[in-house]
Amino acid sequence: DTEVTQTPKHLVMGMTNKKSLKCEQHMGHRAMYWYKQKAKKPPELMFVYSYEKLSINESVPSRFSPECPNSSLLNLHLHALQPEDSALYLCASSPRTGGEDEQFFGPGTRLTVL
Amino acid sequence: GQNIDQPTEMTATEGAIVQINCTYQTSGFNGLFWYQQHAGEAPTFLSYNVLDGLEEKGRFSSFLSRSKGYSYLLLKELQMKDSASYLCAVRDKAAGNKLTFGGGTRVLVKP
Repeated sequence: DTEVTQTPKHLVMGMTNKKSLKCEQHMGHRAMYWYKQKAKKPPELMFVYSYEKLSINESVPSRFSPECPNSSLLNLHLHALQPEDSALYLCASSPRTGGEDEQFFGPGTRLTVL
Repeated sequence: GQNIDQPTEMTATEGAIVQINCTYQTSGFNGLFWYQQHAGEAPTFLSYNVLDGLEEKGRFSSFLSRSKGYSYLLLKELQMKDSASYLCAVRDKAAGNKLTFGGGTRVLVKP
């Protein structure tokens, strides 16, 4: 299994809703990432988990809350989002955070906040 | 911080060659990656350079000069399916080995 899966593919939510994005990989990777990508822009790093511990938080607002329950799963909990948070949210994984390891990206969740 | 520059858009003809340049400034260079991203899809890995020189992978080659803060991606024998965005990304060990992406270059291949 050499892929990163993400659910749901699409999500529409109101500003008062609470929802979660899920990411899973079974490649034994110990580094997992959340990125946000707006249309025609590059991915922007949000969070990095290394060995299930949060190692980088790129000053992301607290309405985004990451969670890494185990080495295969990564969640992003969403609460009280704003319309400007609408974007493609990409999960990625790599064997570790350094070395020659490329990051494998999931297909993304397209989020729309109304 | 990092500054990564690449052209916004390039157009080329099927069967031709296109070279996408990327310049960067970073304090703790620890590798440069090229990714391909088709519209609405996830980025897919193309190449990795950490030492100076050329890495060749089939129709795609990538070059790095660390002293010049410069890389290019060379796409040969262009095919229509190569129409996509190409993202240059630099890893910075001074920033926890995080990957920072350039703005991407949209390549349009015409018949």
